[in-house]
Amino acid sequence: DAGVIQSPRHEVTEMGQEVTLRCKPISGHDYLFWYRQTMMRGLELLIYFNNNVPIDDSGMPEDRFSAKMPNASFSTLKIQPSEPRDSAVYFCASSFRQGIRSYNSPLHFGNGTRLTVT
Amino acid sequence: GQNIDQPTEMTATEGAIVQINCTYQTSGFNGLFWYQQHAGEAPTFLSYNVLDGLEEKGRFSSFLSRSKGYSYLLLKELQMKDSASYLCAVLLYNTDKLIFGTGTRLQVFP
Repeated sequence: DAGVIQSPRHEVTEMGQEVTLRCKPISGHDYLFWYRQTMMRGLELLIYFNNNVPIDDSGMPEDRFSAKMPNASFSTLKIQPSEPRDSAVYFCASSFRQGIRSYNSPLHFGNGTRLTVT
Repeated sequence: GQNIDQPTEMTATEGAIVQINCTYQTSGFNGLFWYQQHAGEAPTFLSYNVLDGLEEKGRFSSFLSRSKGYSYLLLKELQMKDSASYLCAVLLYNTDKLIFGTGTRLQVFP
């Protein structure tokens, strides 16, 4: 099992540039989550998808952030334009829910993308 | 809003026992997770509690009291490799949103 795969591992960009982060969830998982982690705020949920459909994007900071999931094996998180305060580690995670709700299915995290905006 | 509180840092000695507390006030509750995160790595799942009581898994145990909005993670026979951050997370009722606390950084000394 390959696990959740994120790319790139590190991204350094200048303020104002567009940044695209990529995620491949574990095959068969029907939920995909994007989190952002900083020292000050910890792990914050940005958005999550179920069966490729965005369910809750209330954690997306502002309109500069957008996320898509065109198919079950790929998702992107885009920041345009990027700002220094967007610097953080961005994690993608996936999980599988059996039946209507099966809550003891943990999240499987990718290794994250460390974003630095200068 | 959602509020999950954990101590920021703890230290302990190799071979000892440490308890990491987590208190939560959330709009609904449907389970509590503990994750371990080593520096520079992804969080990994440790335990899950949905009913009151103690869940034991090897050297690690997790306790939940829903009426008190309280959980703890108990680590026994501490090893150097247990030095990591420990994240408490609450699954909100009737959603699939898992909300994390800011984590407790544990340092184990020889």
